[in-house]
Amino acid sequence: RKEVEQDPGPFNVPEGATVAFNCTYSNSASQSFFWYRQDCRKEPKLLMSVYSSGNEDGRFTAQLNRASQYISLLIRDSKLSDSATYLCVVNRDDKIIFGKGTRLHILP
Amino acid sequence: GAVVSQHPSRVICKSGTSVKIECRSLDFQATTMFWYRQFPKQSLMLMATSNEGSKATYEQGVEKDKFLINHASLTLSTLTVTSAHPEDSSFYICSAGRTGPTTDTQYFGPGTRLTVL
Repeated sequence: RKEVEQDPGPFNVPEGATVAFNCTYSNSASQSFFWYRQDCRKEPKLLMSVYSSGNEDGRFTAQLNRASQYISLLIRDSKLSDSATYLCVVNRDDKIIFGKGTRLHILP
Repeated sequence: GAVVSQHPSRVICKSGTSVKIECRSLDFQATTMFWYRQFPKQSLMLMATSNEGSKATYEQGVEKDKFLINHASLTLSTLTVTSAHPEDSSFYICSAGRTGPTTDTQYFGPGTRLTVL
């Protein structure tokens, strides 16, 4: 089992809809959690950190469930520009572990 | 946000030559930088952890004699692909960690696309 797992998608979602995807992690010693966004042929860019209390940034909400060992990302009122691959990233000790990413396509 | 630069952004070389890629943290010091490789339609794969002033730590399966890493200062790490072959063609990305009040956040360079002919 991979340490960080994501549904690769693609998620094809009409513009304006709400979409959510999860990322599960297997090591309970994982310490910090992030969502990155990666556009095609570009570097990943930090979208948001994920805190235990959950956090929101505009249309984006991230949540952490330590008991069930997953993090989630919710995108409301999706825009065409949200089309990208969303990478779940977990820090454990000095390691950084990436999920394989979830591809999101927002349809006009 | 923090800025990490990479140079060159794109390089095409002949098989058997060596290529050096630089990764710089422009507005913060990074004792640790990471090097990744990404093949088309795949996720980032960590190659090695670059530690300032000491030897890099390589992931299993990554040849340390082929991918030479030097982290000579707190703002610069270099990756040299020695005797490059077509199978080394890939997107190489570095990241540097910036320590905040509660966590480290990784900032990525823009990547270097290597094509070996």
